[in-house]
Amino acid sequence: GEDVEQSLFLSVREGDSSVINCTYTDSSSTYLYWYKQEPGAGLQLLTYIFSNMDMKQDQRLTVLLNKKDKHLSLRIADTQTGDSAIYFCAETSGDKIIFGKGTRLHILP
Amino acid sequence: DSGVTQTPKHLITATGQRVTLRCSPRSGDLSVYWYQQSLDQGLQFLIHYYNGEERAKGNILERFSAQQFPDLHSELNLSSLELGDSALYFCASSVGPDPNIQYFGAGTRLSVL
Repeated sequence: GEDVEQSLFLSVREGDSSVINCTYTDSSSTYLYWYKQEPGAGLQLLTYIFSNMDMKQDQRLTVLLNKKDKHLSLRIADTQTGDSAIYFCAETSGDKIIFGKGTRLHILP
Repeated sequence: DSGVTQTPKHLITATGQRVTLRCSPRSGDLSVYWYQQSLDQGLQFLIHYYNGEERAKGNILERFSAQQFPDLHSELNLSSLELGDSALYFCASSVGPDPNIQYFGAGTRLSVL
């Protein structure tokens, strides 16, 4: 069935790297996404990767895609307090986008 | 600012009532998607319209309906409301008919009392 799995919580010290992991199910997904949701706000598209890529880097963000294991990760370098949010992994599946339940990133001082 | 506008921001109503949520997509986007976000179910896809036509349906209840108008704005109608319908309702838009990169509105928070 369609399911995107990600851990619910992650705590990281300010200045360290955060790595949020996700597994997806649809091997024919063309796009995989990371969205960020801050309290009381909508989902903000952070980055996306085409399924024919292994890696994408955008400033402090690095996305790694392992198609064989259907594993996607988001690394945030030099994590700041402003990175505190819920991060959603998502995949295209047929005619819709399936979202994970989100990983809440908590920043420790 | 994503360019997607949703109104109202908050809505408080009673069980059994009917409400309409409105969404204006980004300029140039022809697709509108509706999602429901609740604590226990996460973000659930409801329905997708492209250029006025229904394109895909997700976990949308029969009590809910939507449409997209010629000016491309969309409305989500929720009727016979139940307590469990309390949630955040998001609209997203994208350029084409396929569910690729979507931009989300800030959402409408519905509270059914």
